[in-house]
Amino acid sequence: GAVVSQHPSRVICKSGTSVKIECRSLDFQATTMFWYRQFPKQSLMLMATSNEGSKATYEQGVEKDKFLINHASLTLSTLTVTSAHPEDSSFYICSASNADTEAFFGQGTRLTVV
Amino acid sequence: GQNIDQPTEMTATEGAIVQINCTYQTSGFNGLFWYQQHAGEAPTFLSYNVLDGLEEKGRFSSFLSRSKGYSYLLLKELQMKDSASYLCAVIDSNYQLIWGAGTKLIIKP
Repeated sequence: GAVVSQHPSRVICKSGTSVKIECRSLDFQATTMFWYRQFPKQSLMLMATSNEGSKATYEQGVEKDKFLINHASLTLSTLTVTSAHPEDSSFYICSASNADTEAFFGQGTRLTVV
Repeated sequence: GQNIDQPTEMTATEGAIVQINCTYQTSGFNGLFWYQQHAGEAPTFLSYNVLDGLEEKGRFSSFLSRSKGYSYLLLKELQMKDSASYLCAVIDSNYQLIWGAGTKLIIKP
């Protein structure tokens, strides 16, 4: 199957700082990328859907000014958690799709804000 | 290494029952998810199992045996709209999500 690489896999940051997470599709062009958040022992929560070259569509309750998503190319999308706080500590996962196929998932990023 | 196995494709008839199996070998276990995904769309959550046994939710049920590293998703009274990919995913001891490749389910009238 296609490969989606997510980086970093783990990050610890201080409260108030910003963290950028990258999601790359390595062997296909991803017209759509999805960003999810997962709390321990709970299901994935879709945060936003981004299409290459356009603004992301955020799910209800997700602060778009806090979770900045950029999908500037067909192989890269980034999620920036701005002014992170301990409650933002979570597991963030991306997936990528070219609309003709199922989405392929990254390995996830475990964010810990201290 | 870590590995999740599920069949690549299955075919079933409308109105029938189908069982999609998932076996896993991971470093630790903190739960197993089943997701449904239609092409070009985000996956939707179906079930979460962390204890052994069967969890029933309407037409869908999910079973887990941690000692066997095994789970299945059971779909009853199949409808055409159930044609989709079904993904099995395990959270390991480091809270990394390990995904299966997905099972493409084809429903025939």
